[in-house]
Amino acid sequence: AQRVTQPEKLLSVFKGAPVELKCNYSYSGSPELFWYVQYSRQRLQLLLRHISRESIKGFTADLNKGETSFHLKKPFAQEEDSAMYYCALRARNAGGTSYGKLTFGQGTILTVHP
Amino acid sequence: GAGVSQSPSNKVTEKGKDVELRCDPISGHTALYWYRQRLGQGLEFLIYFQGNSAPDKSGLPSDRFSAERTGESVSTLTIQRTQQEDSAVYLCASSLAIQNTEAFFGQGTRLTVV
Repeated sequence: AQRVTQPEKLLSVFKGAPVELKCNYSYSGSPELFWYVQYSRQRLQLLLRHISRESIKGFTADLNKGETSFHLKKPFAQEEDSAMYYCALRARNAGGTSYGKLTFGQGTILTVHP
Repeated sequence: GAGVSQSPSNKVTEKGKDVELRCDPISGHTALYWYRQRLGQGLEFLIYFQGNSAPDKSGLPSDRFSAERTGESVSTLTIQRTQQEDSAVYLCASSLAIQNTEAFFGQGTRLTVV
């Protein structure tokens, strides 16, 4: 079974402060991990995925298989980062191809104060 | 179209009535997903379709819920004999192929059962 846990429902920081949104997962196989973001009145959209190993809007996330975590980090939060963030998991087969449903966490509402 | 389109955007129905929610995926996208988002909760997987393969219905909460997809185009999610606990935002997403690709989400249908 696949399970994604985001322990913080709400997270508040001040502009310029570092921010870390936590994500832990449970999956017996090899997963592919994602972060999705939903800004106010907009659609849910992909922020980043671990296989790309890229930084989007200053955010990074590293897959830690030992701790089964995929925390999202940004060194200096901006007000426009305020949004709902979802961590998601997808199964991967032996060849490294991801497939099937996306399993989402409960989401974390990030508020960045001026 | 430019993105995943869902209709209606809002639906209010009386308890016990049947409702149909529609999803038009991005043209050419072979995978289609339905999720439910209850107030204050995360995204709950319902069902996904991939090409001509048998759909993964493992997330459907009861036999009152069903979904169909015509080829690789429109999908309809049907909820029979609606209950108040069915009130939620129903999200549809599509992706180009099942492997290693981003899922694009629609704006959702907000269902209210009174």
